[in-house]
Amino acid sequence: SQELEQSPQSLIVQEGKNLTINCTSSKTLYGLYWYKQKYGEGLIFLMMLQKGGEEKSHEKITAKLDEKKQQSSLHITASQPSHAGTYLCGADISGGYNKLIFGAGTRLAVHP
Amino acid sequence: DGGITQSPKYLFRKEGQNVTLSCEQNLNHDAMYWYRQDPGQGLRLIYYSQIVNDFQKGDIAEGYSVSREKKESFPLTVTSAQKNPTAFYLCASRQGTTGELFFGEGSRLTVL
Repeated sequence: SQELEQSPQSLIVQEGKNLTINCTSSKTLYGLYWYKQKYGEGLIFLMMLQKGGEEKSHEKITAKLDEKKQQSSLHITASQPSHAGTYLCGADISGGYNKLIFGAGTRLAVHP
Repeated sequence: DGGITQSPKYLFRKEGQNVTLSCEQNLNHDAMYWYRQDPGQGLRLIYYSQIVNDFQKGDIAEGYSVSREKKESFPLTVTSAQKNPTAFYLCASRQGTTGELFFGEGSRLTVL
C-alpha cells in the first residue's frame, strides 16, 4: 500500500554486512509488525512494536519504532544467507480501528 | 493446537467460476483479515472484519465477497467479476488485547 512505504525495494549485500530496511507512513502507526517471507511460502513473524521509541531484538535482527510512531526500521547485523527473503512491514493506520495494511516488501539477497 | 487453517492450499478453477476460500481460527480472535499477494509484491487488504456479522472493504474489495456469521470463520468468495483472480491469498486474525497477528499458510488460486 502506498500508505506504508518500504525502502529499499530490494537489497543485495555481502555476507557479514549490516543492513537496514525502513517502513514509513504519513499516519500514526498503531501496532507495527515485521514479517519475513521465503519465496512462495507463508509469513514468518519477526516482531511487533506498539509504543513510540520501542526497540526489540531477536538474534541478529533489531526493530525500532520511532517516537512519533510514523517510522520503523529493521536492522540486521552480520547478515547471513539464511536472512535472504522478503521482509514485510504491516501496521494499523486507522487509529486503532483494526485496518491492517502492509508495505510492498523489501527483497533481500545475501551473497556468500 | 490453536491457529488458523486455510483451505484448500491449492485450487484450480476455470475462468468465470466463483470460488470460496475457507479460513477458520480457534484462537477466539474478534478481528480477521483477507489479503492478496501477487508474485514479488506485498500484501494487499481485501476485506477485514472486527466482529461477527460485520466486515469492511479493504483496498481491493472489488470482485470479492465475504461473510462473518461465526467468530471462527471468515470465508472469502472470489467471484467471476474479479478480473485477475490468480494469486496467493492469506487469511489472518488479530488478538484484541495484545495485538498479536496470526497468519494462515495461504491458499494459492490459479484460474485457467
